[in-house]
Amino acid sequence: EAGVAQSPRYKIIEKRQSVAFWCNPISGHATLYWYQQILGQGPKLLIQFQNNGVVDDSQLPKDRFSAERLKGVDSTLKIQPAKLEDSAVYLCASSPHPMGGTEVFFGQGTRLTVV
Amino acid sequence: AQSVSQHNHHVILSEAASLELGCNYSYGGTVNLFWYVQYPGQHLQLLLKYFSGDPLVKGIKGFEAEFIKSKFSFNLRKPSVQWSDTAEYFCAVGGRNTGKLIFGQGTTLQVKP
Repeated sequence: EAGVAQSPRYKIIEKRQSVAFWCNPISGHATLYWYQQILGQGPKLLIQFQNNGVVDDSQLPKDRFSAERLKGVDSTLKIQPAKLEDSAVYLCASSPHPMGGTEVFFGQGTRLTVV
Repeated sequence: AQSVSQHNHHVILSEAASLELGCNYSYGGTVNLFWYVQYPGQHLQLLLKYFSGDPLVKGIKGFEAEFIKSKFSFNLRKPSVQWSDTAEYFCAVGGRNTGKLIFGQGTTLQVKP
């Protein structure tokens, strides 16, 4: 079974620039998550999708972050404009069950450095 | 407030030593509990999980964890660590009806050969 695919693996941008990350979840997984992992901390949920609808985006900084999951499969996360404190690893994850509550499978992440 | 606290940030052990990583959580309602591991250069992988039933759960690679409800704890154990166990370990809690996971800050385990 193929895992959660993310691209790019690494990205370096200047502050105030924009950036986008892409995620392809495991086939058939209804629930998709984006987590932010700052160095030295555990992952923090940014947004959760159920199919193509948003379930939880309470911790997404909506003034600069946006995410979409068209057709309930792939997802993109965008930051515009980026700040230095956005430097982190952005993890995409998926789960087979509605509303999760079970095992969550993670991708390798995109490491973003904002300079 | 919902939170997960891992007791140790960095642990150094020699091979064959026993391991115990502490994890306490604060969460309203019934929970699912997880330990994830991240080996160097790899993605987060599930080590073990507790949903219900026997509070002593066994995972991959000889790891086990015990859920103690009265102490809001889910400590990870391994009787004898190997050099290949060098990794970062994350405790996480999720609600029964939500997929959202709340992670601890992680524990870096370094096993010396």
